[in-house]
Amino acid sequence: DAKTTQPNSMESNEEEPVHLPCNHSTISGTDYIHWYRQLPSQGPEYVIHGLTSNVNNRMASLAIAEDRKSSTLILHRATLRDAAVYYCILRDARRGGSNYKLTFGKGTLLTVNP
Amino acid sequence: EADIYQTPRYLVIGTGKKITLECSQTMGHDKMYWYQQDPGMELHLIHYSYGVNSTEKGDLSSESTVSRIRTEHFPLTLESARPSHTSQYLCASSRGVAGIGGETQYFGPGTRLLVL
Repeated sequence: DAKTTQPNSMESNEEEPVHLPCNHSTISGTDYIHWYRQLPSQGPEYVIHGLTSNVNNRMASLAIAEDRKSSTLILHRATLRDAAVYYCILRDARRGGSNYKLTFGKGTLLTVNP
Repeated sequence: EADIYQTPRYLVIGTGKKITLECSQTMGHDKMYWYQQDPGMELHLIHYSYGVNSTEKGDLSSESTVSRIRTEHFPLTLESARPSHTSQYLCASSRGVAGIGGETQYFGPGTRLLVL
């Protein structure tokens, strides 16, 4: 499985934008980039995913580098409720076998200061 | 809002007891998963199922067993609990769709197990 590298932790101030980086230099052409987050004492929740183009949804934006070797999750205005561990995960687009599984790394612990 | 439920949320039990952690989803998802997570550590997949009567071992070896008799139900059983089984257990589900790379997993709130 292609690996991802994320900083262990980041800090932000409330109502400021947050850019969470992820490196995936061994990404293959069939890998989607997924982001999940895990709030304290809860199960993970889906945030956003993309393949090649930048993506936006109500939670965040995903900016994908042109060579796809890195991506950035953007929270436009951080709130205290955004404090969580953010996971960047690659998922193979091909059907079958182990492709359905999510492999979580350590993620980035985001602290939001009031 | 994800409709996936886990019971109990917290369980304290003595060594040697048999326990079953329940997981149910009302979304009609064919795929279900169990993950294990120690405090402050990564999630590790321990079991998954592609559908009724299908179960597979995950990436992390576990002494637990699972069954999938109904689509909506995916219980996890420990025949004889030990302190080393103390952890958080998270259940998830997803629906197989075209373009699998975009498939989203929905997680339950987890069960925190403490074996004394």
